[in-house]
Amino acid sequence: AQTVTQSQPEMSVQEAETVTLSCTYDTSENNYYLFWYKQPPSRQMILVIRQEAYKQQNATENRFSVNFQKAAKSFSLKISDSQLGDTAMYFCAFPYGGSQGNLIFGKGTKLSVKP
Amino acid sequence: NAGVTQTPKFQVLKTGQSMTLQCAQDMNHEYMSWYRQDPGMGLRLIHYSVGAGITDQGEVPNGYNVSRSTTEDFPLRLLSAAPSQTSVYFCASRDRGYSPLHFGNGTRLTVT
Repeated sequence: AQTVTQSQPEMSVQEAETVTLSCTYDTSENNYYLFWYKQPPSRQMILVIRQEAYKQQNATENRFSVNFQKAAKSFSLKISDSQLGDTAMYFCAFPYGGSQGNLIFGKGTKLSVKP
Repeated sequence: NAGVTQTPKFQVLKTGQSMTLQCAQDMNHEYMSWYRQDPGMGLRLIHYSVGAGITDQGEVPNGYNVSRSTTEDFPLRLLSAAPSQTSVYFCASRDRGYSPLHFGNGTRLTVT
């Protein structure tokens, strides 16, 4: 079975510091994408970043970057210069069944950014 | 561009009542899906559709029905509400290939 595991239910970080959220997954596929979504208290689901498995270069979106290790099936999210607005639930997601498949989500990491 | 529109935002039902959660998207996406979100459980797939007239079950389909008569609309029906269906429900759509999901703003449903 294909699974997505987020091992940190809650984390906290001081404003302006860096934090890394971990995600591991299990798949037998070779070509796929991975996603990180953010859910602030407003409940809205917001795409943060995505990584293409066939690319060795790690994806970066402003202060957000990933450390993608395909062989280890690891997909961590690094948030640099944390801001109060980064306080949210963060979900790692992976599509099983190939490009036509459904996203399965990890259980999430609740991140609190403290002033 | 409205994206994915879900209604209502909040709903309270009594056990045994039925209702329909509405979902519409204006991006001409073939793929649409419904998830439920419960504390500590992440998002779990209820039903999905890969095009008009085609639907299939996800991980937690019991107690829910869907239909897809048009590309734009994908309503979720609760046949006989139970307290276990108290949850936040999200509708989502995406384009072909490895495209990200676009989510509606969610519906908080409480069944008493």
